[in-house]
Amino acid sequence: EAGVAQSPRYKIIEKRQSVAFWCNPISGHATLYWYQQILGQGPKLLIQFQNNGVVDDSQLPKDRFSAERLKGVDSTLKIQPAKLEDSAVYLCASSLATGVYNEQFFGPGTRLTVL
Amino acid sequence: KNEVEQSPQNLTAQEGEFITINCSYSVGISALHWLQQHPGGGIVSLFMLSSGKKKHGRLIATINIQEKHSSLHITASHPRDSAVYICAASMDSNYQLIWGAGTKLIIKP
Repeated sequence: EAGVAQSPRYKIIEKRQSVAFWCNPISGHATLYWYQQILGQGPKLLIQFQNNGVVDDSQLPKDRFSAERLKGVDSTLKIQPAKLEDSAVYLCASSLATGVYNEQFFGPGTRLTVL
Repeated sequence: KNEVEQSPQNLTAQEGEFITINCSYSVGISALHWLQQHPGGGIVSLFMLSSGKKKHGRLIATINIQEKHSSLHITASHPRDSAVYICAASMDSNYQLIWGAGTKLIIKP
């Protein structure tokens, strides 16, 4: 079974530029998560989708971050404009459904460096 | 205070040693997850447990619900086990994972 795909793997931009990340979850997985992981810390949930609807985006900095999952399959996360503190690894994960016992499968991540 | 605490933060050991990583949590949970993250790589789920003990190859995970504590053990450690090991808790009240900060493990040959 193919895993969660993410692109690009690495991105370097200057502050105030825009950037977009793409995620394709495991086929059939209804729930998709975007996490931000700053070096030395655990992942922080930015947004969770159930099919094409948002379940939780309480920790998404909405003034600069946006995410969509229009057809309920793949998803994009955008940062506009980027700040230095956005340098992190952005992880996408998917699970069959939402629930405490649903195992999340993670993609390889996108490492963003903001200069 | 973080709701999920891991120790140690960093651990260096020689190949073949028995490794223990600890995780304590302060909230009511439904499940405790152990995950592995290699440098530059994504995260792989190792175990999800809500009671007792699970074993997979050289990895063993245990949980004590009363003491709100879980451990991850690696027997006959190998340099390829070098990674960051993270514990994360699924809370009773919602579906989100509360993450520990991770333990960076280095196994020297």
